Amino acid sequence: DGGITQSPKYLFRKEGQNVTLSCEQNLNHDAMYWYRQDPGQGLRLIYYSQIVNDFQKGDIAEGYSVSREKKESFPLTVTSAQKNPTAFYLCASTLSGQGNRELFFGEGSRLTVL
Amino acid sequence: QQQVKQSPQSLIVQKGGIPIINCAYENTAFDYFPWYQQFPGKGPALLIAIRPDVSEKKEGRFTISFNKSAKQFSLHIMDSQPGDSATYFCAASKAGANNLFFGTGTRLTVIP
Repeated sequence: DGGITQSPKYLFRKEGQNVTLSCEQNLNHDAMYWYRQDPGQGLRLIYYSQIVNDFQKGDIAEGYSVSREKKESFPLTVTSAQKNPTAFYLCASTLSGQGNRELFFGEGSRLTVL
Repeated sequence: QQQVKQSPQSLIVQKGGIPIINCAYENTAFDYFPWYQQFPGKGPALLIAIRPDVSEKKEGRFTISFNKSAKQFSLHIMDSQPGDSATYFCAASKAGANNLFFGTGTRLTVIP
């Protein structure tokens, strides 16, 4: 079955540690996205990538980093510079092109900073 | 600032009722308005979407009403069921854009 796989589903980290969230898709989608979800704030865009080896900052990129070395993979690193990292992180993908705007989401990764 | 404003934040209805969730936007360049449904612990999934050339779109029990002049759109759920209990997000995007702008979400509870 095609889809987006995020791992880990739950993650705990101590303050000052970097952590990397994995996102893999087998939908052959060109574009991939990372969103952060907090209660009462909806989904906010962290980073997105339209093609391999290229990515753009979203609305809340500070304290995060990404890479896009393969079409299928778009890992997100939450660095120690992120002041409030506890959140639910969602990865999404879509086909590029004017007619394709449906986002397909993974099941999310919940990060808790202790 | 919030590109898409959504209300109410939460909603409780009896089974069979018709919950209505409202969204408003300012950017007249938006030309695609989807609704996503999210169950606890899961990622959102596309429920239904509309473009501004129509005023209404129905898919099963879900209907989007769109008012271009008022820059508002809403989701109606007919004959709501307990299985519809979820968080609903409206969103908007413009042609050529790389991003969807999401509303803040509405947590719907349908009581049996």
